[in-house]
Amino acid sequence: DQQVKQNSPSLSVQEGRISILNCDYTNSMFDYFLWYKKYPAEGPTFLISISSIKDKNEDGRFTVFLNKSAKHLSLHIVPSQPGDSAVYFCAARNFGNEKLTFGTGTRLTIIP
Amino acid sequence: NAGVTQTPKFQVLKTGQSMTLQCAQDMNHEYMSWYRQDPGMGLRLIHYSVGAGITDQGEVPNGYNVSRSTTEDFPLRLLSAAPSQTSVYFCASRTGGGNQPQHFGDGTRLSIL
Repeated sequence: DQQVKQNSPSLSVQEGRISILNCDYTNSMFDYFLWYKKYPAEGPTFLISISSIKDKNEDGRFTVFLNKSAKHLSLHIVPSQPGDSAVYFCAARNFGNEKLTFGTGTRLTIIP
Repeated sequence: NAGVTQTPKFQVLKTGQSMTLQCAQDMNHEYMSWYRQDPGMGLRLIHYSVGAGITDQGEVPNGYNVSRSTTEDFPLRLLSAAPSQTSVYFCASRTGGGNQPQHFGDGTRLSIL
């Protein structure tokens, strides 16, 4: 039972355009959501997070949107840069539980 | 900025051998955890600790032991390695107190022959 799903294994975007990565979840107890970026042979790097009491959080070029009724979140990167090429993981946690539940990742390729 | 440091980066073992994966953090984080990543899957929690002397099981704990004698270190032990434990292992830490993100080390790639 995959509680966090990233249905797009890969995504290609032109440099300078907007990248939109999507994530769906099934567990309504999740109350904290995170996005991580991962380069080959490195660990996941924290990008941005959002609490369930919010519907949007921005940090520079990165914005995360949360739609609780649809159990859906998305990460927007604008403008996309070549260094953004990586695998992006969506993850979720519920209060009082240390476990992060991860999606399977989306490989983003930025085309120069 | 050392952050979370994992050693070794690579290891090859034979079935039945034991070994310890090391994890150290210099951020004075209370919470530490171990995850494994297998092809086509997200990271899965093996064990975690909410402070020195306190550990608990995660989603896939079988075949692994942990202990937490200091705030800084959280080693993961494989007592008798099996081919199913071939994976990439990531250690993470975070500060306590509500919604704080986990920060990950660069991983240990482990192959069991």
